[in-house]
Amino acid sequence: QQQVKQSPQSLIVQKGGISIINCAYENTAFDYFPWYQQFPGKGPALLIAIRPDVSEKKEGRFTISFNKSAKQFSLHIMDSQPGDSATYFCAAQATGNQFYFGTGTSLTVIP
Amino acid sequence: DTEVTQTPKHLVMGMTNKKSLKCEQHMGHRAMYWYKQKAKKPPELMFVYSYEKLSINESVPSRFSPECPNSSLLNLHLHALQPEDSALYLCASSPSPIRTYEQYFGPGTRLTVT
Repeated sequence: QQQVKQSPQSLIVQKGGISIINCAYENTAFDYFPWYQQFPGKGPALLIAIRPDVSEKKEGRFTISFNKSAKQFSLHIMDSQPGDSATYFCAAQATGNQFYFGTGTSLTVIP
Repeated sequence: DTEVTQTPKHLVMGMTNKKSLKCEQHMGHRAMYWYKQKAKKPPELMFVYSYEKLSINESVPSRFSPECPNSSLLNLHLHALQPEDSALYLCASSPSPIRTYEQYFGPGTRLTVT
């Protein structure tokens, strides 16, 4: 059973456009929702994380939006650049060390 | 130093070989993790060490044997692997076991079992 559902599986965006990746969950015990970025041949790197008592968090061109009632959260990448081309994973953590990745989104930003 | 290092970068081994993967961090983190990642899939958790004690073992076959010699080092001993064990093996560390989301990943070891 997939604890965190992620969509789309792949995404192609023009340079300068907005990339949007969505995730959904059911377990209300989750208390941290991070996003990771992974380039080919590298390990994932933490991009940004949000707690469920915050509706939005921004770091540079990356924004997480969180909708607690809908149990959904999303990553927006503003002014997308070719260097943003990577695989993005959402994740969720519950107290007691339960940690789940989403299925991943392969983002390609075309010049 | 916010780096997790892993050696070797690549490893090719036969099904009868014994080899070890190594991971090191000097961030003072007290939780360390082994993950297995297949192509186009998310990392799958294998083991968690919390304060140098094995705290989670996600039903991993006994041909994988973790070891945590001290708070900075994590090893994964491999024996009698199968071709389906070929994958990217990632090590990660986090400040504490309740802050898994802050984990730093190493670059991984690309393992091929022939």
